[in-house]
Amino acid sequence: NAGVTQTPKFQVLKTGQSMTLQCAQDMNHNSMYWYRQDPGMGLRLIYYSASEGTTDKGEVPNGYNVSRLNKREFSLRLESAAPSQTSVYFCASSDRDPNNSPLHFGNGTRLTVT
Amino acid sequence: AQSVTQPDIHITVSEGASLELRCNYSYGATPYLFWYVQSPGQGLQLLLKYFSGDTLVQGIKGFEAEFKRSQSSFNLRKPSVHWSDAAEYFCAVTGGGNKLTFGTGTQLKVEL
Repeated sequence: NAGVTQTPKFQVLKTGQSMTLQCAQDMNHNSMYWYRQDPGMGLRLIYYSASEGTTDKGEVPNGYNVSRLNKREFSLRLESAAPSQTSVYFCASSDRDPNNSPLHFGNGTRLTVT
Repeated sequence: AQSVTQPDIHITVSEGASLELRCNYSYGATPYLFWYVQSPGQGLQLLLKYFSGDTLVQGIKGFEAEFKRSQSSFNLRKPSVHWSDAAEYFCAVTGGGNKLTFGTGTQLKVEL
């Protein structure tokens, strides 16, 4: 059982380049999330998708876009990367009720923007 | 707005010693509280959660946490730490749904 799969694992971009981070889950979860993790700041929510066909902004959405391609896949796009977006990005999924289904995390994408 | 404070950035304990990691939350109503653990290069794994009922909750790997409403705290404890417990620990809160707010984490080092 793969759980939550993120690709790529590592990426280096130059300022201004674009890229898409991919995330897929095989647990039939309704909700998916993108977090970024920075030293001393914990995890901050970028965007989330409560269900297929919907997306909403989280705490730090500026500079990012998302697409909920289908129930399994939720991608995060950086249109014009900036050094401030150097971070580790985590995708997570769950069902809507946290009592029954806490967040399940992928192993992260480490992004460096030079 | 909800928030979480983990006052200890780093903690070092000897193997076999007891452990307590502190977590204080801010939320207007009864919160849902979580502890997650992150090993190097990995995603976060759920240790335990509190929603209601018994204020002492048991989790995986021998961890437990106690919800104290009067102190707005949800501290994580383990009676005897193992070297494999070295990791980063995150406390999180939500008022419902799965939009969690995380603390900044506590890095645990275990001395052999």
